[in-house]
Amino acid sequence: QSVLTQPPSVSAAPGQKVTISCSGSSSNVQFNYVSWYQFLPGTAPKLLIYDNNQRPSGIPDRFSGSKSGTTATLGITGLQTGDEADYYCGTWDSSLSTGVFGGGTKVTVL
Amino acid sequence: QVQLAQSGGGLAKPGGSLRLSCAASGFTLSDFYMTWIRLAPGRGLEWVSYISSSGDTIYYTDSVKGRFTHSRDNARNSLYLQMNNLRAEDTGVYYCARDLEAFRFRGWFASWGQGTQVTVSS
Repeated sequence: QSVLTQPPSVSAAPGQKVTISCSGSSSNVQFNYVSWYQFLPGTAPKLLIYDNNQRPSGIPDRFSGSKSGTTATLGITGLQTGDEADYYCGTWDSSLSTGVFGGGTKVTVL
Repeated sequence: QVQLAQSGGGLAKPGGSLRLSCAASGFTLSDFYMTWIRLAPGRGLEWVSYISSSGDTIYYTDSVKGRFTHSRDNARNSLYLQMNNLRAEDTGVYYCARDLEAFRFRGWFASWGQGTQVTVSS
């Protein structure tokens, strides 16, 4: 149902790396900037990445963003138990003339 | 420190109304585009409505047009979402969010409220 497609879940052991893909199309991901958000239970959501690969101040460099064609990717290195959360990608859709999000990915630290 | 404190929401019957409020502190509300976003079960995140810093441009997603009214009171540094003729599919957690940069629409949400639950059920 979401315009952007994310895997429902990813997991890795503490200290390891996970990547989350965000697949879209030429009307959204390919030609528009992508952002990533972290949703932790009980806290306000947090902007992790904007403009494909830029981190707001205060976001550690363990979080990184990249994009190639119609797929954007969020990487989290040095995985910590505090990283267990839902992660969403977002961008503008030029055909729909609205912002769109992915369906969210749950990160589990094993 | 930027804060967005939400209030309102709750349980409403189909066809009923609710009003959400979002009180801003730590920044000047009138400098920023503001957006309401909802997280709905089974449907994920969705832009509901955004309003320009001046208030003269307001966007609504198709499903809420004619039923929801997004407004801002810059003097009170507050944002509102009046929701009328509610439907079951409006159920979800509603967030107010501030754009990344002042006076410019980026569509990146640098600050979020804590979210408020809206449940529409008979």
